[in-house]
Amino acid sequence: KAGVTQTPRYLIKTRGQQVTLSCSPISGHRSVSWYQQTPGQGLQFLFEYFSETQRNKGNFPGRFSGRQFSNSRSEMNVSTLELGDSALYLCASSRGEPGRYQETQYFGPGTRLLVL
Amino acid sequence: KQEVTQIPAALSVPEGENLVLNCSFTDSAIYNLQWFRQDPGKGLTSLLLIQSSQREQTSGRLNASLDKSSGRSTLYIAASQPGDSATYLCAVVGGGATNKLIFGTGTLLAVQP
Repeated sequence: KAGVTQTPRYLIKTRGQQVTLSCSPISGHRSVSWYQQTPGQGLQFLFEYFSETQRNKGNFPGRFSGRQFSNSRSEMNVSTLELGDSALYLCASSRGEPGRYQETQYFGPGTRLLVL
Repeated sequence: KQEVTQIPAALSVPEGENLVLNCSFTDSAIYNLQWFRQDPGKGLTSLLLIQSSQREQTSGRLNASLDKSSGRSTLYIAASQPGDSATYLCAVVGGGATNKLIFGTGTLLAVQP
């Protein structure tokens, strides 16, 4: 069974540009969450989706947005990139509705974004 | 606000030693706790999930315990190997209609051959 996949794996952008990252969950998984990992702040929750609906959002500015499609694949978008957005962006998937089942969350390999 | 702390921040041991990694959390009302490992520049690999009603979980050489009342979890690694070298992260889910993981800062483990 294929794991969580994320594309692209690496990105270099310049300040002011926008970027879209993609996450394909494990087959049959319907919940997708996104995290930002930086050396200074560690792993921080961005948002989570279930059945194409954003269920929760972390404390990030409105430049960070996401969506989920009917096949459970998810994308996140960052507009007007800043230097501080350089990070490893990770997505995680799980099978059921958030908070309804105590189940393992599986992470993808991440997308490393460098903003110059 | 839930805060998760991991001690020590870094640990170096010789191969073959048994070791314990610690995780503490400030709010005992957690839904579950998960341990992960992360290799440099890579994503997170799930190691063990402990549900709120459980006290421990085992997988191979790994054993994780959970004491909600004291806000603590430990990850025990038996007979450590150089391949165990990685950063180990614990994370809690606080409950409610969310899978949001609140992560600790991690323990960087180096197992010397």
